[in-house]
Amino acid sequence: QQQVKQSPQSLIVQKGGISIINCAYENTAFDYFPWYQQFPGKGPALLIAIRPDVSEKKEGRFTISFNKSAKQFSLHIMDSQPGDSATYFCAAFSGGYQKVTFGTGTKLQVIP
Amino acid sequence: NAGVTQTPKFRVLKTGQSMTLLCAQDMNHEYMYWYRQDPGMGLRLIHYSVGEGTTAKGEVPDGYNVSRLKKQNFLLGLESAAPSQTSVYFCASRRRTDKSNQPQHFGDGTRLSIL
Repeated sequence: QQQVKQSPQSLIVQKGGISIINCAYENTAFDYFPWYQQFPGKGPALLIAIRPDVSEKKEGRFTISFNKSAKQFSLHIMDSQPGDSATYFCAAFSGGYQKVTFGTGTKLQVIP
Repeated sequence: NAGVTQTPKFRVLKTGQSMTLLCAQDMNHEYMYWYRQDPGMGLRLIHYSVGEGTTAKGEVPDGYNVSRLKKQNFLLGLESAAPSQTSVYFCASRRRTDKSNQPQHFGDGTRLSIL
């Protein structure tokens, strides 16, 4: 049972454009929502994270928007660059951060 | 600072064989995790440990065993490998804290093929 649904599966964006990836969750016990970036042959690396008491968090070109009532959160990459081309995963933690569920991933390609 | 190191990086097994994947972290982290990553499935938690000598089941624990005899090491064992266990395995660790959310640090994975 997929508790975190991520879309789209793949995304092609022009350099300088905005990349948007969405995740929806079901379990209201989730209380920490990170986004990870993964390059081929490497493990995921934390990009940015948010807690449900905040509606938006921005770090550089990366922004998380969080809608608690809709149980949705999204990653926005502003001014997308070819170096951003990677697979992005959303995740949701609960149980004192011991339990985690990942989304299925979005493969982003930024073309020049 | 090596971070999280996984060995081996690649391995091919025959059905029924056994093997152990090793994860070592040098950050003195309390929590450690084992995931498997399959196409279209994201990462799924196999087992995790909140401290030396303790382990717990994750989302997909069947067919795997783990041990955390030392704080810095987390071992994942396959007693009788099956083709369905062909996957990329990732280990992660993080600090336990009450004040802020600490990120998980991932290793670079072990690519395991079972024929």
